Amino acid sequence: DTAVSQTPKYLVTQMGNDKSIKCEQNLGHDTMYWYKQDSKKFLKIMFSYNNKELIINETVPNRFSPKSPDKAHLNLHINSLELGDSAVYFCASSLPVRGAEAFFGQGTRLTVV
Amino acid sequence: AQTVTQSQPEMSVQEAETVTLSCTYDTSESDYYLFWYKQPPSRQMILVIRQEAYKQQNATENRFSVNFQKAAKSFSLKISDSQLGDAAMYFCAYRSRYTGNQFYFGTGTSLTVIP
Repeated sequence: DTAVSQTPKYLVTQMGNDKSIKCEQNLGHDTMYWYKQDSKKFLKIMFSYNNKELIINETVPNRFSPKSPDKAHLNLHINSLELGDSAVYFCASSLPVRGAEAFFGQGTRLTVV
Repeated sequence: AQTVTQSQPEMSVQEAETVTLSCTYDTSESDYYLFWYKQPPSRQMILVIRQEAYKQQNATENRFSVNFQKAAKSFSLKISDSQLGDAAMYFCAYRSRYTGNQFYFGTGTSLTVIP
């Protein structure tokens, strides 16, 4: 059983389109994250949710909108895609306690053409 | 915000040899955890080892061990008896207790294992 699953794994789309990436975790974790990994492999936090409530919203264009329908799901919707949005997006989850590790999904490679 | 620095973009090691990957971090907090994650070509992020800031004893997991120097804010990863499967990107990460419990990642070190 996959602990944190993201769909799709690969996404190729044209500029200007709107797309969504879905994330689900079956670990019972309260905290979920979206990270962006750029071409240089740098991992940058985008959003963090705790029990469906947004607690971190880093400087991300408002074209990116997270949605957490319940604490097991955190989806990422991106409007008006731009070339610079091409990256690998990782969903992760964790318990909100000291020392708890983050469990990552397998990542979604988004390519905007 | 906390910063995590990995000063070695690339490292290489002969199979069966030992290699040490460096990590330093900047924080004013006293209670935190540090992690090393491995990202092989498959892209999956895998936890290698974790260290609690309050524990002076260095963490060890089989061939992986850390050298944690709290005063120096240094957290290096030692891989002993390197294997071909150890080839990957390695990320050092800091978990804050206070700022939303997020993880701060370093820029990564790409490790090549030479047969």
